[in-house]
Amino acid sequence: GAGVSQSPRYKVAKRGQDVALRCDPISGHVSLFWYQQALGQGPEFLTYFQNEAQLDKSGLPSDRFFAERPEGSVSTLKIQRTQQEDSAVYLCASSLESEHSYEQYFGPGTRLTVT
Amino acid sequence: SQKIEQNSEALNIQEGKTATLTCNYTNYSPAYLQWYRQDPGRGPVFLLLIRENEKEKRKERLKVTFDTTLKQSLFHITASQPADSATYLCALDGGNDMRFGAGTRLTVKP
Repeated sequence: GAGVSQSPRYKVAKRGQDVALRCDPISGHVSLFWYQQALGQGPEFLTYFQNEAQLDKSGLPSDRFFAERPEGSVSTLKIQRTQQEDSAVYLCASSLESEHSYEQYFGPGTRLTVT
Repeated sequence: SQKIEQNSEALNIQEGKTATLTCNYTNYSPAYLQWYRQDPGRGPVFLLLIRENEKEKRKERLKVTFDTTLKQSLFHITASQPADSATYLCALDGGNDMRFGAGTRLTVKP
């Protein structure tokens, strides 16, 4: 594929359910980022991978959030026991280089609604 | 505390005019700054990157300036077109990650 893909595009979860959001980065991209974007706001950093190593998870809002990238390509963001405040668009981005100064290519996002 | 402010939530201009968007930051010392475009229901798309030792960068109708003394970046779109209507986000190197402003929604009227 030519770009970053994310699935599902939309997810509705009942409060308390677990969800898993998938990101397929551009092939060969070293860096992968997850962001959370609330309506009318800019993306907020959640976590960063360089290949399979999770180098920064300082933006994860609670221990209910967990991300992995076991083989250095596809990544999954898991949210356990979802709460209403988790409702947002979750964006994944990948970058060719390992330094952060290079442009990031974003996926279309997964819109999560917790009811 | 660290802040990134894009000073207009919304900007409306007439087609053909130059749009100028502002990004101010406090308590950051970014090595670079980026500008992205975001359309509704889509992820941001990279437009331009400017480094701390560069004063100005241009790409087609786009121009970005970066003043590390004022802690400000200006983003200009010249000869604006209705197709330029979108939300524009500035993003700073935050050390281990990128930090985004809330964005400015630009509407170019024909």
